Amino acid sequence: GIQVEQSPPDLILQEGANSTLRCNFSDSVNNLQWFHQNPWGQLINLFYIPSGTKQNGRLSATTVATERYSLLYISSSQTTDSGVYFCAVDVYTNAGKSTFGDGTTLTVKP
Amino acid sequence: GAVVSQHPSWVICKSGTSVKIECRSLDFQATTMFWYRQFPKQSLMLMATSNEGSKATYEQGVEKDKFLINHASLTLSTLTVTSAHPEDSSFYICSASRGLAGYYNEQFFGPGTRLTVL
Repeated sequence: GIQVEQSPPDLILQEGANSTLRCNFSDSVNNLQWFHQNPWGQLINLFYIPSGTKQNGRLSATTVATERYSLLYISSSQTTDSGVYFCAVDVYTNAGKSTFGDGTTLTVKP
Repeated sequence: GAVVSQHPSWVICKSGTSVKIECRSLDFQATTMFWYRQFPKQSLMLMATSNEGSKATYEQGVEKDKFLINHASLTLSTLTVTSAHPEDSSFYICSASRGLAGYYNEQFFGPGTRLTVL
């Protein structure tokens, strides 16, 4: 099956810093989503981005499908950005089921 | 829009009992619902996929007789953990999408249910 690798596994930032999270995948995908899992376990949709670039406030994401990677940018980080960031991909040949990466644990210190 | 609820948010039960977890899409019709399991500090593992009105499709290694899934309507899916044992303790999360599995679809997640089996 498809392999999804996220990097870095852990990231510690000072409040106000910028960061880039990466998601590499081993096969062509139909769908890619970025999620933020907060400390209570809730997954929050950040981006639905099988290709191209999207922005939402301090967050933006870019997926280069032909090169099989996606990037999540967080600017001017805040303590509330702390948590685990997952990317999840769907492959058409896998009936639309999502495969999750192992996540990046982000800690933003005040 | 696209809100998914789960109930209960946490449950503690004795070994051997069965536990039912409900997943509801509150403001959209969910053609497909997914059930995941997450162990501490690990990623989400897909357990099963269910389309409304049809039998669930289970991932390899997931016992369908132990984890009963019913997707009775376009807004409700239930996961029943039968004869629960301590090794079933985990965080169970559902997601819902408007599309059929196999097509482009965005998933929306419930808040999860933390199950502890004593």
